[in-house]
Parts: sequence; C-alpha cells; structure tokens
Amino acid sequence: RKEVEQDPGPFNVPEGATVAFNCTYSNSASQSFFWYRQDCRKEPKLLMSVYSSGNEDGRFTAQLNRASQYISLLIRDSKLSDSATYLCVVNSAKGNTGKLIFGQGTTLQVKP
Amino acid sequence: DTAVSQTPKYLVTQMGNDKSIKCEQNLGHDTMYWYKQDSKKFLKIMFSYNNKELIINETVPNRFSPKSPDKAHLNLHINSLELGDSAVYFCASSQDLRGYVNTEAFFGQGTRLTVV
Repeated sequence: RKEVEQDPGPFNVPEGATVAFNCTYSNSASQSFFWYRQDCRKEPKLLMSVYSSGNEDGRFTAQLNRASQYISLLIRDSKLSDSATYLCVVNSAKGNTGKLIFGQGTTLQVKP
Repeated sequence: DTAVSQTPKYLVTQMGNDKSIKCEQNLGHDTMYWYKQDSKKFLKIMFSYNNKELIINETVPNRFSPKSPDKAHLNLHINSLELGDSAVYFCASSQDLRGYVNTEAFFGQGTRLTVV
C-alpha cells in the first residue's frame, strides 16, 4: 500500500464548478500535511498547509481527519488557471527523521 | 533571484555514461533533498541531507551518489546511466523537517534526464 494515496483523475470540470479531492495516508504518526500544486513541466509549489481545524484560503478549503487518516481539498468557483496537478503531501516522521511523502497527484482540468 | 536552482535543465545522454546534476539554494535552509519524478508523475524522495550530513537514503542504487560540499549545495552524480534512470530529478530545500512541523519545501525547476 502506498503511504499517500490519491485518485489520479483526471477531473474535468467547467469553469465555476466546485471540485473536491481526497487523499489518505497510512502512517498514523504523520505530523503535518500539505497540498502542493504542480503545473505541467514545472516544479511543485506549496498551495496550503492543512490543519486539524480545517483552513481556508480564498476559494480553497483544506480539511484533515486524523482519525480516518484522510485529507481533502475543496476548490470553489473553479478558474481556468486552476488547471494543474494537486499533490497531497505528508510529513512522515520516522525515528529522528522527517520527510515529505508525496501522493501521485490528482489532475484537474478546468474547461471554459 | 532563484531560491533553488539546479543545472542543467535538460540532459540527454547515452547508456553507460556518468553525469552530474548540480543544485544550490540561497534560502539559508538546513535541509536539501533529491526527488525523482517518473513517467507516472510519482515524486519519490531519493536522498535528504541536513547540514551536509546524509539523513535519508531511500533504497537508491549505489550508482547514485549525492555530494554536499556545504549546506547550500547538494549535487547528484549518476554512474553508468541506464534507460530506467530517465525521469525528472528535482532538488528541494527546507528548514529541518524534524523541528518545524509546517515547514515548506522549495523545489528547483527540475532536470529532465533522458537516457538513450
């Protein structure tokens, strides 16, 4: 089983739609959680951190459920510029090391 | 000013050759990484260095040898290149993940390696 699992998609949605991505992680000792965005042929960049209480940044809302080991990202009012791959990322602590484990990514294509 | 810069951006080479990819960060971070992104877009960590010390080595063939001359640089040398080494290699840096729970990792633009 992969340490971080995501549905690779693609998700094809019209502009203005609301779309949700889910992610599960296997290491219950994981300390921190993130969503990164990767545009085609570019490097990943941090979109937002994910907190237990849930957090919002404009049209983006992230949720964490530690009991279910589940992370979500909700995008409201999708824009064409939201088209990208969204990577679920977990800081998976083992012993005295921390490392970022990436999910496979979920591809979003927003169409006019 | 590029925060994490790696060179070259593209690398096409023949099987059996030896090649190096260089990475430098100007963010003052303690920790640097090499990730490999294969054709299925999976980003997998290869190595992690903290203050020039190797702290993560993820079952990578010993043909891959990272070298960190100082904490701002982490180079990757690959010996005897194989077809399966073709991928995009990303360098990244962050504060020490052990101490900073919500630290962000910054990535270089990637090196697209093609072995023919």
